[in-house]
Amino acid sequence: GESVGLHLPTLSVQEGDNSIINCAYSNSASDYFIWYKQESGKGPQFIIDIRSNMDKRQGQRVTVLLNKTVKHLSLQIAATQPGDSAVYFCAENNGGYQKVTFGTGTKLQVIP
Amino acid sequence: SAVISQKPSRDICQRGTSLTIQCQVDSQVTMMFWYRQQPGQSLTLIATANQGSEATYESGFVIDKFPISRPNLTFSTLTVSNMSPEDSSIYLCSVEPGRVGETQYFGPGTRLLVL
Repeated sequence: GESVGLHLPTLSVQEGDNSIINCAYSNSASDYFIWYKQESGKGPQFIIDIRSNMDKRQGQRVTVLLNKTVKHLSLQIAATQPGDSAVYFCAENNGGYQKVTFGTGTKLQVIP
Repeated sequence: SAVISQKPSRDICQRGTSLTIQCQVDSQVTMMFWYRQQPGQSLTLIATANQGSEATYESGFVIDKFPISRPNLTFSTLTVSNMSPEDSSIYLCSVEPGRVGETQYFGPGTRLLVL
């Protein structure tokens, strides 16, 4: 079936460096994508989203890039901080009621 | 956004028993969802809970095992019935506020351990 997946299960980054988390999706009909951050013991927290009519969207220290040609999504975190340590999920929105399908997740470890 | 709370936050249960998890939202929402997150894994949608109608279950999940109630626009319950150790997971509710272009927001989760 359709799926959303990530290339790297774990990413270690030095504090202050930029982080890039990648995601591949397989449903070419998907038109809405979301990045979530899940800290230990908590529920997923919305970070940023992007619609398929855009290639790039920026938030505070985060940027999401969408390449529809190769069905690839990435999350860039600038000046990574210890508080960024978490598991990051990309997700694909299906259907008019925003039923979300989650990818497998990437664990980001920030090295002080 | 929406503020979501869940009860209990965690529980340890015996095999064969049932547990009902509550989800409360601070605003009225049309769509509520229940997810399961097994240890070290991603989230899997169990069902969509609509107020005033039967819940819609995803493949692999059935009403007899995971009955859901949605009595009003701010509250839902998920029951995990006749539990086995394989049901040990985090159970999360989420809401879709219903405004076009807005995404889902998640509760803190209920951590269930079945012995």
